Amino acid sequence: QLQLQESGPGLVMPSETLSLTCTASGGSISSSGYYWGWIRQPPGKGLEWIGSIYYSGGTYYNPSLKSRVTISVDTSKNQFSLKLSSVTAADTAVYYCAKQWYGGSSGWFDPWGQGTPVTVSS
Amino acid sequence: DIVMTQSPDSLAVSLGERATINCKSGQSVLYSSNNQNYLAWYQQKPGQPPKLLIYWASTRASGVPDRFSGSGSGTDFTLTISSLQAEDVAVYYCQQYYSIPPTFGGGTKVEIK
Repeated sequence: QLQLQESGPGLVMPSETLSLTCTASGGSISSSGYYWGWIRQPPGKGLEWIGSIYYSGGTYYNPSLKSRVTISVDTSKNQFSLKLSSVTAADTAVYYCAKQWYGGSSGWFDPWGQGTPVTVSS
Repeated sequence: DIVMTQSPDSLAVSLGERATINCKSGQSVLYSSNNQNYLAWYQQKPGQPPKLLIYWASTRASGVPDRFSGSGSGTDFTLTISSLQAEDVAVYYCQQYYSIPPTFGGGTKVEIK
């Protein structure tokens, strides 16, 4: 059974780069037909898709964050990673990684990692 | 971006009674070539990640109890919990995957009356 686990610093200074990694176990991120996504949830708020990556490296990002986001994949480690630059307090959120089942232009997410809280503060 | 609007923001339902959550998309998420609605529903309990309940608007995900059902087409969709159980207390979200970026509704909180 596929499980995903996010890891990375829980506190990031304003203007710096947030870096998170998602490690998959019980399944391979090199499976064809699936993307791997990042979604975030600010405290007490709803869900926002950040971007997704295919195992071969193809990516697509939320236009609202595109200028600051980089998602990469390391199939040898069964991991994919998120970098978000120039962070502000508005980037404070729980960050989730998830498997994306490709349906048309994008897809639905299942399963999700447990999430990792990230606070942007000096 | 396709805006997803859920209603109500919250509802309280007695145990064993029906709960109905609505989701409206800013444009149709029905893809005419395959007659599929590109819509999913999730359940999020406190302190937990979202859990997929429904995809293609009405297909239950593996292991999801049959008291959960999805319906609707085009721009108007409904998630129904036919007989509310205590473990169904959660926030429910709809999500469209018709276009990029995939977008979520604001959530509906379901509580016990």
